[in-house]
Amino acid sequence: GAVVSQHPSRVICKSGTSVKIECRSLDFQATTMFWYRQFPKQSLMLMATSNEGSKATYEQGVEKDKFLINHASLTLSTLTVTSAHPEDSSFYICSASINRPPYEQYFGPGTRLTVT
Amino acid sequence: AQSVAQPEDQVNVAEGNPLTVKCTYSVSGNPYLFWYVQYPNRGLQFLLKYITGDNLVKGSYGFEAEFNKSQTSFHLKKPSALVSDSALYFCAVRPGGYQKVTFGTGTKLQVIP
Repeated sequence: GAVVSQHPSRVICKSGTSVKIECRSLDFQATTMFWYRQFPKQSLMLMATSNEGSKATYEQGVEKDKFLINHASLTLSTLTVTSAHPEDSSFYICSASINRPPYEQYFGPGTRLTVT
Repeated sequence: AQSVAQPEDQVNVAEGNPLTVKCTYSVSGNPYLFWYVQYPNRGLQFLLKYITGDNLVKGSYGFEAEFNKSQTSFHLKKPSALVSDSALYFCAVRPGGYQKVTFGTGTKLQVIP
């Protein structure tokens, strides 16, 4: 099956700094990628939909200036958490979608962000 | 709007016994339904999906799920639970032809030796 990677798998950063998370589709092209956030013992919440070559679509309540998404190519989307704070600590998961029916989505392994 | 309900936060089952993890959904049109498993600090692993066809879907690791349109349910089942099945299970739905997936709140499965 299709493989999606995320890098890094874990990152610790200091409060006030920015951190970038990469999501790559390794063996297929993904016009659309999705970014999810998961708090401990909770479900995945969709943050934004990332479309190659255009601006991301953010879900209600997600700050687009804080969570910058770039989808510069058909195999790479990046999520940058700007001016990170401890409350941004979370598990971030991306998925990549093949853009033809039935629009299969493949999930990355996730990135654990800890802001100290 | 689509939604998924997993009514049980946790399910405990003895090793070797059958297990069921419940899921009901609400979506316009024909649903695409999914089950994923998540181990601690790991991403989601795909178990199975229903798009069309037979209501009983077989997936990875001996799991299966039954699509029941009248009850809008898609319960996950396994005839004989293993301790290694202990994990967090998510049901998910999206309308056919669309990409946005909605996840349930997850059910923690604990298989007791």
